[in-house]
Amino acid sequence: NAGVMQNPRHLVRRRGQEARLRCSPMKGHSHVYWYRQLPEEGLKFMVYLQKENIIDESGMPKERFSAEFPKEGPSILRIQQVVRGDSAAYFCASSPLGLADNEQFFGPGTRLTVL
Amino acid sequence: AQSVTQLDSHVSVSEGTPVLLRCNYSSSYSPSLFWYVQHPNKGLQLLLKYTSAATLVKGINGFEAEFKKSETSFHLTKPSAHMSDAAEYFCVVTYDYNFGNEKLTFGTGTRLTIIP
Repeated sequence: NAGVMQNPRHLVRRRGQEARLRCSPMKGHSHVYWYRQLPEEGLKFMVYLQKENIIDESGMPKERFSAEFPKEGPSILRIQQVVRGDSAAYFCASSPLGLADNEQFFGPGTRLTVL
Repeated sequence: AQSVTQLDSHVSVSEGTPVLLRCNYSSSYSPSLFWYVQHPNKGLQLLLKYTSAATLVKGINGFEAEFKKSETSFHLTKPSAHMSDAAEYFCVVTYDYNFGNEKLTFGTGTRLTIIP
């Protein structure tokens, strides 16, 4: 059973461009979470999705950021008109349907660098 | 609201000596607590979790943690450090207030260095 897959692993964008980060959860997992890790900081929750639904987006910036988890295909975190402050590692995690004490399985992350 | 405080941003120990990484939590409800480890340029791996069962929790690689409600603590320990333990460690809290998977709240991390 493959783990959580994220691609690309490294992404370089110039200011004003768009960044698309992809996350394929583990097989059988219907819950996806996105976290952002700024340099020298812990991970901060961004958004929690189930298939075709956003459950909690309280950690998402109000502008330029969006996320989706379609019925088919990976979850996508999209950042429009990137700025230098968006440079960070973005981690995706997945878990099976269940309670809060379910382990979240993390992908290797996408490291976004904005020039 | 829920939060965790990791009391040390850096800890250095000699190989073969005990490890103690400290974590205090704050939660309005009965919490679930986790320790995750992150090796350089890697994703996170779960070390152990507490979910209201036994208060002393054993994890992988010889780590364990004790949930102390009276002290609101969940410190991570290991009797004897190994070079491969050098990594960043995160204490994490969540709670099941809505009968579903809930977002994790991370501490700021403790960087563990092992001295040969």
